[in-house]
Amino acid sequence: QSALTQPASVSGSPGQSITISCTGTSSDVGSYNLVSWYQQHPGKAPKVMIYDVSKRPSGVSNRFSGSKSGNTASLTISGLQAEDEADYYCCSYARSCWVFGGGTKLTVL
Amino acid sequence: QVQLVESGGGVVQPGRSLRLSCAASGFTFSNYAMHWVRQAPGKGLEWVAVISYDGSIKYYADSVKGRFTISRDNSKNTLYLQMNSLRAEDTAVYYCAIPRGTLIVDAIDFWGQGTLVTVSS
Repeated sequence: QSALTQPASVSGSPGQSITISCTGTSSDVGSYNLVSWYQQHPGKAPKVMIYDVSKRPSGVSNRFSGSKSGNTASLTISGLQAEDEADYYCCSYARSCWVFGGGTKLTVL
Repeated sequence: QVQLVESGGGVVQPGRSLRLSCAASGFTFSNYAMHWVRQAPGKGLEWVAVISYDGSIKYYADSVKGRFTISRDNSKNTLYLQMNSLRAEDTAVYYCAIPRGTLIVDAIDFWGQGTLVTVSS
């Protein structure tokens, strides 16, 4: 049950696009299309932004998209907005358990 | 609307026990698996445990296996986490959460606001 690997921080200017990677193993990300992404603002509960690798819940902006290749999943945010500044976590099912990434702090410059 | 309200957190000495509760409303509780996820102060999210809709299947993170027990009472729409032999590293905000669908593998979707557990002498 090792944590998935995410960059500690990413940044971008308003209007730009950024991508956050999430690297796991063949036992988690690589084996299941069950990767989700969560946004967390300070002091708030996490909010699901992407589930099942690339599906977007109703109400989530289409500026958020997800993908996966091999053992690495990615979250892309296009047209960055100030309100996107937050912590982002990936999560994968891993056969009888779930594993989160260490989190990525997104700064909108 | 969906509501999850955690309670039972507080300050506890190392080695002692604590039981958390999560009161659910706004959905058919007995149809859904339920999760506990925790977050240490200033740290990332850590999955703790999951229980199936009927309580017959329970999975735990290695870090809590043998010390924590997840359970549910569908007649009371309530989820529990019994935490024994608490350690300083168990200090965290504990969230209960429901998946998007009724399968135990469905993505964690909606989260409560959390309850803080502090393990300190």
